Amino acid sequence: QVTLRESGPALVKPTQTLTLTCSFSGFSLNTSGMSVSWIRQPPGKALQWLALIDWIDDKYYSTSLETRLTISKDTSKNQVVLTMTNMDPVDTATYFCARESYYDTSGYYDFWGQGVLVTVSS
Amino acid sequence: DIQVTQSPSSVSASVGDRVTITCRASQAINNWVAWYQQKPGKAPKLLIYAASILQSGVPSRFRGTGSGTDFTLTISSLQPEDFATYYCQQTNSFHTFGQGTRLEIK
Repeated sequence: QVTLRESGPALVKPTQTLTLTCSFSGFSLNTSGMSVSWIRQPPGKALQWLALIDWIDDKYYSTSLETRLTISKDTSKNQVVLTMTNMDPVDTATYFCARESYYDTSGYYDFWGQGVLVTVSS
Repeated sequence: DIQVTQSPSSVSASVGDRVTITCRASQAINNWVAWYQQKPGKAPKLLIYAASILQSGVPSRFRGTGSGTDFTLTISSLQPEDFATYYCQQTNSFHTFGQGTRLEIK
């Protein structure tokens, strides 16, 4: 059974760095074809893809946020960590992690965590 | 970056109606499109992947079509549990989501 769970602070101050952890079970990021992404959703707004890390440790970032994001994995702990620097109130959102699977070369997110709401406020 | 334009942004319909949501990419993306359903306070749920393949457990009233730049999600015979927000996503280059379509009860 595949599960993912996000953890991190509920409140951060402007200019601080946010660190979020995605803990997962039921699959391994050592397995060929596996990857995990972070996606966020500001209150009442659309989903925004942030970053992805795959089984060979390739990393991809949203071009609009890539200077602020770092994604990493610890396969021994089954965790993926996202850091976002210089947080601003506009970064207030629910942050999700999700597993990506592939059909042929077409990717899709078949399992999601429940999300963690992060509020940026002084 | 590939842009994804989803329409309409909202639609009102009744139980039993047929609804179509469209998604247009700014460049050809083969069949690299997925569709998700999201209910308030919940994570998105995968409905369709590779443009037209129904995820296991999803009712057959959901249908995805399209290739290249134009894609559609059709829900035939709306059920009460279908009223939610729907998102398309392209995974050809990075993973852009559409702006969402809110499906409301008329």
